[in-house]
Amino acid sequence: DTAVSQTPKYLVTQMGNDKSIKCEQNLGHDTMYWYKQDSKKFLKIMFSYNNKELIINETVPNRFSPKSPDKAHLNLHINSLELGDSAVYFCASSQVAPAKNIQYFGAGTRLSVL
Amino acid sequence: DAKTTQPTSMDCAEGRAANLPCNHSTISGNEYVYWYRQIHSQGPQYIIHGLKNNETNEMASLIITEDRKSSTLILPHATLRDTAVYYCIVRVAAYNQGGKLIFGQGTELSVKP
Repeated sequence: DTAVSQTPKYLVTQMGNDKSIKCEQNLGHDTMYWYKQDSKKFLKIMFSYNNKELIINETVPNRFSPKSPDKAHLNLHINSLELGDSAVYFCASSQVAPAKNIQYFGAGTRLSVL
Repeated sequence: DAKTTQPTSMDCAEGRAANLPCNHSTISGNEYVYWYRQIHSQGPQYIIHGLKNNETNEMASLIITEDRKSSTLILPHATLRDTAVYYCIVRVAAYNQGGKLIFGQGTELSVKP
């Protein structure tokens, strides 16, 4: 039973389209995250939500809009896709408790914008 | 969060111990040292973390120097499946910090037969 699951695993789309990536965790965690890994393999935080409330927004273009319908889900919607959005997007979750802030990552969504 | 420095790459023979160093000379007293790894095409995986004492779990051991300015991750008997990029991350573990992990370039460990 996958702890953090993302769908789809692969996403190929044209520039200008709008797409969504879904993430669900069954670990009972309070906090969820989106990270982006670009072609140079650097992993960078994009957003963090705690109990459906946005707590980190790392200067991501406003074409990216996260939505958390409940604390087990954090979806990422991207409007007007650009070539530079091509990357692997990872969802993660963790408990809030400080010493237990261990993040569990999903398998990633490979987005290719053509 | 303090910055970390790691070697870009390392090799290790299968079955031998892999010792991965990390420098974090500007670490603050309330910052933990975390290690994650990313096996090719997978999501990052938590390995271990510690504050000042050495830690051991089923995956690895973490040795933190007394001044806390550096640490070493030890994989006691490396296997081919341990080939991955290993990230050393220093961060405050606090309720209001948002929990973000700042990943550097990491160390690419190649375990060879």
